[in-house]
Amino acid sequence: QLQLQESGPGLVKSSETLSLTCAVSGGSISSPSYYWGWIRQPPGKGLEWIGNIYYSETTYYNPSLKSRVSMSIDTSKNQFSLKLTSVTAADTAVYYCARLFFPFGDFHDWGQGKMVTVSS
Amino acid sequence: QSALTQPASVSGSPGQSITISCTGTTRDVGGYNYVSWYQQHPGKAPQLLIYDVTNRPSGVSSRFSGSKSGNTASLTISGLQPEDEADYYCSSYRSSDTRVFGGGTKLTVL
Repeated sequence: QLQLQESGPGLVKSSETLSLTCAVSGGSISSPSYYWGWIRQPPGKGLEWIGNIYYSETTYYNPSLKSRVSMSIDTSKNQFSLKLTSVTAADTAVYYCARLFFPFGDFHDWGQGKMVTVSS
Repeated sequence: QSALTQPASVSGSPGQSITISCTGTTRDVGGYNYVSWYQQHPGKAPQLLIYDVTNRPSGVSSRFSGSKSGNTASLTISGLQPEDEADYYCSSYRSSDTRVFGGGTKLTVL
């Protein structure tokens, strides 16, 4: 059974870079059948898609975040990562990683989420 | 990137049926049959209920069903149960290999 686990600092200072990793177990991140994605949810608000990455390292980002987001994939460790630069309080959220079916699929499997607070 | 439009809240009594709408554009909901629905209980990660407009993953109750007409997709929950009280989100594939979510709908079971 596939499991996804987010990890990284729970507190980031304003203007710095948020970095999170999603460890995948029970399945290969190198499979051509899936995308790997990040979604976030500010406290009390709705879900926002951040971006997806394919095993080939091709990335797709939310246009509203594109200038600050980068994603990478490490097939040797079966994990993928998110970096969000120049964070502000508006980036405070629960960050989820997820698996999507290639090429048009839904967010089929989710991690439990990682709360990240941006402090001034 | 504008979100898909969902009603902020809906309510129903146990045993009743409710429908949640999700309105987009021809760039997303209306242009592709790749709409999905998610259920989220407080403090929990979202869970997939419906994918590709009408399909249910294994393990999801047949009380949940999806449909689409034009730029609007819908989730129907029949035979409402107390445990259905949760937030519901739609999502769609959007042109240029992006994804978009709806703003979410809070379902109250009276």
